[in-house]
Amino acid sequence: GAGVSQTPSNKVTEKGKYVELRCDPISGHTALYWYRQSLGQGPEFLIYFQGTGAADDSGLPNDRFFAVRPEGSVSTLKIQRTERGDSAVYLCASGANTGELFFGEGSRLTVL
Amino acid sequence: LAKTTQPISMDSYEGQEVNITCSHNNIATNDYITWYQQFPSQGPRFIIQGYKTKVTNEVASLFIPADRKSSTLSLPRVSLSDTAVYYCLVYNAGNMLTFGGGTRLMVKP
Repeated sequence: GAGVSQTPSNKVTEKGKYVELRCDPISGHTALYWYRQSLGQGPEFLIYFQGTGAADDSGLPNDRFFAVRPEGSVSTLKIQRTERGDSAVYLCASGANTGELFFGEGSRLTVL
Repeated sequence: LAKTTQPISMDSYEGQEVNITCSHNNIATNDYITWYQQFPSQGPRFIIQGYKTKVTNEVASLFIPADRKSSTLSLPRVSLSDTAVYYCLVYNAGNMLTFGGGTRLMVKP
């Protein structure tokens, strides 16, 4: 399909491990966002890309979190030394700078 | 960025019109008001966006008074499938979109 694709849909890992979450946005969308969402909460902003550069990374909780978008399309969210508190659904969205974002189905991360 | 405030939850019955009001007292001149809908286990979905007065699409209407310090999302004749969380956001091109807690709408038969 032509929507935002996120992989994996589910990831279970152990505390201290490294995790990568991938987002394949809608072709041509220059804006790409990462959010994370815990049960019963609204999506929490993590980082926002315009093209290849991070326009705003103020939402990344600490230096264990990092995201890249090297060619201005696919983005990878990287989490080092995972902690149980990192467990959440990680949402990716892309858009054409109109305020209308298209979200993927999310990657559910569980840290044991 | 302007902070938004909306009710935590609302109940309604099938066939009724539902109005969800959001306040955004510090909205700036270049800000747009945007609403999203989220079902369980899915990402949010864009519903409607407006700048002032009234905007209508096939899903909802958005009413924005002249001072733009609040907005009202109107869902006509809701059905059970409209049970979801509705988020009000303020959008400014080039800035990130911040979600609040949203309004949990429960539609009852």
